[in-house]
Amino acid sequence: AQTVTQSQPEMSVQEAETVTLSCTYDTSENNYYLFWYKQPPSRQMILVIRQEAYKQQNATENRFSVNFQKAAKSFSLKISDSQLGDTAMYFCAFRTIFGNEKLTFGTGTRLTIIP
Amino acid sequence: DTGVSQNPRHKITKRGQNVTFRCDPISEHNRLYWYRQTLGQGPEFLTYFQNEAQLEKSRLLSDRFSAERPKGSFSTLEIQRTEQGDSAMYLCASSLGPQIEAFFGQGTRLTVV
Repeated sequence: AQTVTQSQPEMSVQEAETVTLSCTYDTSENNYYLFWYKQPPSRQMILVIRQEAYKQQNATENRFSVNFQKAAKSFSLKISDSQLGDTAMYFCAFRTIFGNEKLTFGTGTRLTIIP
Repeated sequence: DTGVSQNPRHKITKRGQNVTFRCDPISEHNRLYWYRQTLGQGPEFLTYFQNEAQLEKSRLLSDRFSAERPKGSFSTLEIQRTEQGDSAMYLCASSLGPQIEAFFGQGTRLTVV
């Protein structure tokens, strides 16, 4: 069974600063996906960024980038030039590439961007 | 395309009553997923469908829970004889395929009193 751990329940950062959210996971699989999802208050969850485990290059999406360390089973999210709209719950999630299609989520990090 | 739609958005029910939630996925998405999210936790997988076939069910889905997707389009999740522990946000998601991003709805918040 896979587990996902987010050890930072809450974080806050000043607008325009950079913040890094941590995530570790445990699996015996070799091929899988990792995701960061954002859940703004009272709104639906949306995908921020996705990483395929077989790719060595870290994924980037505009101001969002990841630091994927496969051997350490670590998958952190860096948000650069943070904006007020980045305020949300952030969930790290895992999914195997083959077989069961379920997402396994961490407990989330509540990020607040301070004006 | 209006995204994944879930109804109702909120439901308050008395313990012991039955409730049913509906999820309308993005059109042409053949995968549909149900998750449950309690306060302070991440979503937990309940079940998923490929078209009308229910392919996987979590152990969280007790005998009181049943999900259907009769024509491979919308899906319903029914909880019979609700208990206070069923209070949670029930999330639905859909995708075009197993390698494709899942899109989530806004959820149905259930409160059992």
